[in-house]
Amino acid sequence: ETGVTQSPTHLIKTRGQQVTLRCSSQSGHNTVSWYQQALGQGPQFIFQYYREEENGRGNFPPRFSGLQFPNYSSELNVNALELDDSALYLCASSSRTSGSYEQYFGPGTRLTVT
Amino acid sequence: DAKTTQPTSMDCAEGRAANLPCNHSTISGNEYVYWYRQIHSQGPQYIIHGLKNNETNEMASLIITEDRKSSTLILPHATLRDTAVYYCIVRVSSKSTFGDGTTLTVKP
Repeated sequence: ETGVTQSPTHLIKTRGQQVTLRCSSQSGHNTVSWYQQALGQGPQFIFQYYREEENGRGNFPPRFSGLQFPNYSSELNVNALELDDSALYLCASSSRTSGSYEQYFGPGTRLTVT
Repeated sequence: DAKTTQPTSMDCAEGRAANLPCNHSTISGNEYVYWYRQIHSQGPQYIIHGLKNNETNEMASLIITEDRKSSTLILPHATLRDTAVYYCIVRVSSKSTFGDGTTLTVKP
């Protein structure tokens, strides 16, 4: 069984640029959630995708967008990067068919915006 | 999702039981209690969850009070590798934000 993987591990971007982060979900999982974790804080929910459709969104502006593909992998796109977007971005997969919602997280992508 | 309250930090001696409390006084009837932990610079790791009954797995035990307004995560024999931030979350789906958790430091 393959766990959740994310790429890249680290990324440095300049303010105003755009970035795409990628996530491969755990085998058998059909739901992917994205989180932003600033230093010293808990993960903040960005949005969730289920069967290629957005299925819930946290308090993040529209410049944060995503995609889910037929194989359940996912992308997080952030446009017009701001300095405050510097954070660890986490992807978590889960299976709604299981009836419970335990999530399995990837190692994260550390984004630095300068 | 119901709000949770956890102590900011706790210490535990290696080999002793670590008991991490969580208050969730506004929990609704269909909300589960989940526990995750995050070791420095890694993604959070699922530990255990429960609805009403106490639960145990290979990692920990979860004790939920009868009124479901609080719970305790128990690591029966803490090791240095259990040093981490522990998050208690109450929810019906997988869409909620995590709080700031409890930083557990296991000391030799």
